[in-house]
Amino acid sequence: QSVLTQPPSASGTPGQRVTISCSGSSSNIESNYVYWYQQLPGTAPKLLIYRNNQRPSGVPDRFSGSKSGTSASLAISGLRSEDEADYYCATWDDSLSALFGGGTKLTVL
Amino acid sequence: EVQLVQSGAEVKKPGESLKISCKGSGFTFTNYWIAWVRQMSGEGLEWMGIIFPGDSGTRYSPSFQGQVTISADKSISTAYLQWSSLRASDTAMYYCARSTTSGPPWFDPWGQGTLVTVSS
Repeated sequence: QSVLTQPPSASGTPGQRVTISCSGSSSNIESNYVYWYQQLPGTAPKLLIYRNNQRPSGVPDRFSGSKSGTSASLAISGLRSEDEADYYCATWDDSLSALFGGGTKLTVL
Repeated sequence: EVQLVQSGAEVKKPGESLKISCKGSGFTFTNYWIAWVRQMSGEGLEWMGIIFPGDSGTRYSPSFQGQVTISADKSISTAYLQWSSLRASDTAMYYCARSTTSGPPWFDPWGQGTLVTVSS
């Protein structure tokens, strides 16, 4: 059971907007930046969002991140078939450990 | 191109030792932290610990402290993850990743992963 809670699954049709939530606490999300990773099937994770809402070079602006209090969200607009992947939130915890959410499997219907 | 290249898949027996590697290129290895992340089959990501090859400063997750050893050889831009006595429960994919800090999980890029299988 992860300290950061994500829904195990999410889905949408091409062109739709989907959001994935990540719930934590005052010792992690509320007091630290949130990061998001995309893991395509059979590949290593890839940084998608850093410092709550910043996109690395090369990440489409269809991906956006936000944070409020002890929760964070990843939004994907204009959903595409190639977005089908596992998505993980991550943050630092004041117990001096990095944390990952349990992951959300996104299915494009 | 900034990249991390990990050593190949390993098949070991319980009780054996193992050291896997992660070689960096395209950046100044001693200016960054290298983290290790475990992913058991069908499961999520777990942060194991991190090392600063510049001075070999290391930080471990409480869950992995004492279970593994993280080290680095800056002369060959390589970080290592090692076990002295493997267990079946160590069977997993292990990733290394570059970080600009020892704290927040800002990991970019990641290595391709090393699959470790422990079975009698």
